Amino acid sequence: QVQLVESGGSVVQPGRSLRLSCKASGFTFSSCAMHWVRQAPGKGPEWVAVMWFDESSKFYADSVKGRFTISRDSSSNTLYLQMNSLRTEDTAVYYCAKDRTGSYTWDYWGQGTLVTVSS
Amino acid sequence: QSALTQPPSVSGSPGQSVTISCTGTSTDVGGYNRVSWFQQPPGTAPKLMIYEVTNRPSGVPDRFSGSKSGNTASLTISGLQAEDEADYYCISYTTTNTWVFGGGTKLTVL
Repeated sequence: QVQLVESGGSVVQPGRSLRLSCKASGFTFSSCAMHWVRQAPGKGPEWVAVMWFDESSKFYADSVKGRFTISRDSSSNTLYLQMNSLRTEDTAVYYCAKDRTGSYTWDYWGQGTLVTVSS
Repeated sequence: QSALTQPPSVSGSPGQSVTISCTGTSTDVGGYNRVSWFQQPPGTAPKLMIYEVTNRPSGVPDRFSGSKSGNTASLTISGLQAEDEADYYCISYTTTNTWVFGGGTKLTVL
């Protein structure tokens, strides 16, 4: 069955960097676009970034553009999110999500990893 | 990337029907049939309930249905059950290759 397991969340100071990982299994990772979605405490979800299955394109929310970088390693079925210049407003649970191919939505989510940006 | 507009809350009694609206613009909801709806009970990851405006993934009861008119999409839940109580979010693909969520609607089953 499809599994997405995020890791890497922690407490960091503003301005620092952090890299999140998402280990995928149970589907052909190299054939699926993958996304990061975050949810601040008590708030609704916010889409963060997407990477096409063939790595040809990446797109970002305005709120993270220029600071966050999405990448993937198909040899290890792992999705990454490099987060630089972190701000307090980046505090959230970060989910990776599998694209439902052709439907412009997501059919599987991980359990999430918490990033807290605080001095 | 302004958030889509949803009512903060809706409620209904068991067996009744409720409809949740999701209003965007011609660059998102009105521009494509790429609106989805997610259900999120407290403390869990969102679950896909409707995709491409009207389609239900396997396993989602047919009590859940979606529609769209112009820049407004809607989720209707008929035959309300206690287990339907959750937060519901719409999301749309946009003309700038990004996705935008609605602010969320809390459904209370009375």
